[in-house]
Formats: sequence, C-alpha cells, structure tokens
Amino acid sequence: AQRVTQPEKLLSVFKGAPVELKCNYSYSGSPELFWYVQYSRQRLQLLLRHISRESIKGFTADLNKGETSFHLKKPFAQEEDSAMYYCALSAQGGSEKLVFGKGTKLTVNP
Amino acid sequence: SQTIHQWPATLVQPVGSPLSLECTVEGTSNPNLYWYRQAAGRGLQLLFYSVGIGQISSEVPQNLSASRPQDRQFILSSKKLLLSDSGFYLCAWGDRAIGAFFGQGTRLTVV
Repeated sequence: AQRVTQPEKLLSVFKGAPVELKCNYSYSGSPELFWYVQYSRQRLQLLLRHISRESIKGFTADLNKGETSFHLKKPFAQEEDSAMYYCALSAQGGSEKLVFGKGTKLTVNP
Repeated sequence: SQTIHQWPATLVQPVGSPLSLECTVEGTSNPNLYWYRQAAGRGLQLLFYSVGIGQISSEVPQNLSASRPQDRQFILSSKKLLLSDSGFYLCAWGDRAIGAFFGQGTRLTVV
C-alpha cells in the first residue's frame, strides 16, 4: 500500500534561515513524488515533481530511495513561503492513485 | 490550457438530505479525475478516482458515492448526508506522472 508520512504538523523558522520539510514514503515499487503548496485563501497547487528535478521558488527536493524520503529544502526561507505543504506519491506502473501526507504548516517569522 | 471548475463553493445542507457536487475539466481529454476531502490535521484523504467514463475506484467506504457520466465531468453524491460528512471537498484532474491540479473546493456544512 502507498503511504506518505510528514512527521511535522508545524514548522517555524526565521526569515533567511534554511528550511527542510520532511516527507517519508512507503511503497515497494518505484514512486512518483510531488510537493504541493497551499497559500492562505488559495487553491492547492503543485510545487514540484521529483521527475523534473526542478527548483521552484528556491525549493528543491531529492528522492532518496534508500531512506524512502523526499524532503523539501530551501536554503533561505522567505516570509512569503509561509503556507501549508503537502507531499504526495503515486505508484509508477501501478494504479492511478495519488496519495497525500497530512501536511506541514510552515511559518516563516520576520 | 486546462481548467477545472468545481461548484458550489459553499453549501449548507441538513442531515438526511441528498448531496451533489459537480466538477468539470476543460482543455484536456480523458483525464484522471479525483475527489479528496481535506481536513485540518488529517491532510487530503483520497475518496474516489476515475480513469475513464463509468470507471470509479473507491478508496474509503463511507456515505458517499461518485459518478463520471461524461469524460470531463465528475460528480460526488450522497443519498442521505450525515453530520460527519461536513468538510472541504476538492476535485482534481491529472495523472500519476504529472500530478494533480485542483479546483477551488467546496465547503460542505451538514447541520
């Protein structure tokens, strides 16, 4: 079964500090992994996909198959990064399910 | 470009009444469609997904059902609402490679 765990419900950092939002997954096959962000009063939107190996708004995420992790990182947090972040997984070669973690609320303090 | 419409934005319904939430997608053909419920502290719970007309996979046994009468239309229904059905419901389209793209959501309050 596919499962996504985000161990931190809340994360608070100061502006300019590095930030890491943790995501661990459980899936026996090859996963497709995603990070989503929801800013206040906005719809949930895709932030980045591991397959694209992209950096969006200064955020990056690396898939670590050994540790089954896909942590989201940014070297210097900005106040506008304050939002709810969700990690999600789909099963490559499996069903079309897209399963989400419970989310981490990031607050960047001035 | 693709767009997704979901309505209504808010809904207040009495216990025992029926429910119908509709979602439509434009600008793409044969999308995968998803219904999620979002709750504080519980994240996004996948309720149903569909890979084609008439094909519905249910993830959580409950008081809800879903239907896909047309390629780009996805409907979430209930015959009799319960108080526990209150929540924020999200429709999305996408697939396992590109991820999901969400509608604005419906805030359902069952009273």
